[in-house]
Amino acid sequence: EPEVTQTPSHQVTQMGQEVILRCVPISNHLYFYWYRQILGQKVEFLVSFYNNEISEKSEIFDDQFSVERPDGSNFTLKIRSTKLEDSAMYFCASREDEGYSYNEQFFGPGTRLTVL
Amino acid sequence: AQKITQTQPGMFVQEKEAVTLDCTYDTSDPSYGLFWYKQPSSGEMIFLIYQGSYDQQNATEGRYSLNFQKARKSANLVISASQLGDSAMYFCAMREKGANSKLTFGKGITLSVRP
Repeated sequence: EPEVTQTPSHQVTQMGQEVILRCVPISNHLYFYWYRQILGQKVEFLVSFYNNEISEKSEIFDDQFSVERPDGSNFTLKIRSTKLEDSAMYFCASREDEGYSYNEQFFGPGTRLTVL
Repeated sequence: AQKITQTQPGMFVQEKEAVTLDCTYDTSDPSYGLFWYKQPSSGEMIFLIYQGSYDQQNATEGRYSLNFQKARKSANLVISASQLGDSAMYFCAMREKGANSKLTFGKGITLSVRP
């Protein structure tokens, strides 16, 4: 069964460093999302992406964050200068486009980011 | 106001019994979808079940069913015949304002299944 993959599974970085989290969505999906989950808390939406542009972003997604689909398969989240509070699990999700019929967002296994 | 409210403390259930996990939601959008995800200790998010706001019947998916009470704005998850592997965190989520919009999650409920 096709699945969303994410690399790395765990990233440790120093405060102020740039990190790039990578995701490979399911191949025929057209909508892509990033969410984050601070340890022990709820999952929070960061950004959605469609047709090579951001379609929606949350207040969390400030200028430190950017997303990119550099080729036909990868979807990346970049944090330019990491802060301690960026430590969290980051989930990528993707979804098919079938008009307004229901279809779920498939989540990747997550990347645990630890900022020291 | 919270969009998704999950207020139960940690839940415990005996193996093979049924358990209900509560979720209430708040939206003014007439068209929305409600989801339940399971997050085991390994951390991944596993989709369980979906209910659309216009669906006439409650959703069912194997041992999972959704008790959808639209007027009360509740979408409780019922797990029948609990198994030890059901021990996990369970999140209720809502999608509103269009099929392609984000999911808004509740705080989650921890379920522990006792042998």
